[in-house]
Amino acid sequence: EDQVTQSPEALRLQEGESSSLNCSYTVSGLRGLFWYRQDPGKGPEFLFTLYSAGEEKEKERLKATLTKKESFLHITAPKPEDSATYLCAVQPPTLGRLYFGRGTQLTVWP
Amino acid sequence: DAGVIQSPRHEVTEMGQEVTLRCKPISGHDYLFWYRQTMMRGLELLIYFNNNVPIDDSGMPEDRFSAKMPNASFSTLKIQPSEPRDSAVYFCASSPTANTEAFFGQGTRLTVV
Repeated sequence: EDQVTQSPEALRLQEGESSSLNCSYTVSGLRGLFWYRQDPGKGPEFLFTLYSAGEEKEKERLKATLTKKESFLHITAPKPEDSATYLCAVQPPTLGRLYFGRGTQLTVWP
Repeated sequence: DAGVIQSPRHEVTEMGQEVTLRCKPISGHDYLFWYRQTMMRGLELLIYFNNNVPIDDSGMPEDRFSAKMPNASFSTLKIQPSEPRDSAVYFCASSPTANTEAFFGQGTRLTVV
């Protein structure tokens, strides 16, 4: 049973074209939701942690939001260097364990 | 700090051989995680340690897999004997506490032929 579902699987945007990535989860008693960025051949790189519904975090062109059932990663005016796979992970009540989604592969073309 | 360091970066081995993957976590981090990433299953947690003690190994696929953490600065993941279906990228990650972000190494790409 998938705990985390990310959509879309792949997204192509033109530079400057804003969009959102979705992460829906079924874990109850969520302790935290994490967003990571992964470039080809590298390990995931931490972006944000969200702990409660209504929380928002921002970093450059990225903004992450959280509701009781899903999170969005909004990308404003993306640049080609934002191209990567974006992974969402949820932490259930059991400390330490994270469940990752399959990721959204974002391509931003000039 | 240099971050989480994994070795080797790439490993190609023949079916039936023993494979050992190594990890040096970030100094001061109490939690160490081993993940496996494949196209089919994505990123899966295999096992994690707290203060060098294995806490949850329910993700270890079979008895062929074993992990150790003899001290706070070193961990190994061993596969014996290896099989072609073990081919994947294996990541080590560490975090300072249980509910904070984990920092990942660059991964070891394992190919079993």
